Amino acid sequence: EAAVTQSPRNKVTVTGGNVTLSCRQTNSHNYMYWYRQDTGHGLRLIHYSYGAGNLQIGDVPDGYKATRTTQEDFFLLLELASPSQTSLYFCASSDLDRNTGQLYFGEGSKLTVL
Amino acid sequence: AQSVTQPDARVTVSEGASLQLRCKYSYFGTPYLFWYVQYPRQGLQLLLKYYPGDPVVQGVNGFEAEFSKSNSSFHLRKASVHWSDWAVYFCAVSMDTNAYKVIFGKGTHLHVLP
Repeated sequence: EAAVTQSPRNKVTVTGGNVTLSCRQTNSHNYMYWYRQDTGHGLRLIHYSYGAGNLQIGDVPDGYKATRTTQEDFFLLLELASPSQTSLYFCASSDLDRNTGQLYFGEGSKLTVL
Repeated sequence: AQSVTQPDARVTVSEGASLQLRCKYSYFGTPYLFWYVQYPRQGLQLLLKYYPGDPVVQGVNGFEAEFSKSNSSFHLRKASVHWSDWAVYFCAVSMDTNAYKVIFGKGTHLHVLP
């Protein structure tokens, strides 16, 4: 069974704060993604990666950095958090060789920026 | 550019009634289509997926969806809704040429009345 684990599950910070969201997958998948979910917008892609050291820009990248340190680990970085980044963040992984387009999601990380 | 439209932000049905959730996609190539479900306070889980082939796809928990190229649609159906189906349902599309990029609709909230 595919497994994607996110931490922390809940985070509260202040405007200008520094936040790191972590994601680990144990599926041996090559692709990993960070999405944000907001009412009225559905899921929007922030960044994605197809392997360690690789980073690709998604559809809403402004204000976010990301780093893929290993095949398993993908981090989302908010260096100067703003209230507009209050959202529910999902990490996902996929293996295009076997499951074209199918994503395996983590449980989500709820971020509140005061 | 490809897109996904879920025209109904909210659908309310009585338990035991039939259900159809609508999804329209825009893409001129061969789409891969998905329905995901998000139960309260959880991540997204795959309900079913369409890869080119039989247009009617069976999923988990009695759900099925039908692909229509002529209508650019991928509607989700269930013959008899259960209270546990209360959730948010997302339609998604990826492209045959760039399967790593998955585009989501804004989601449909399904409310089930007793």
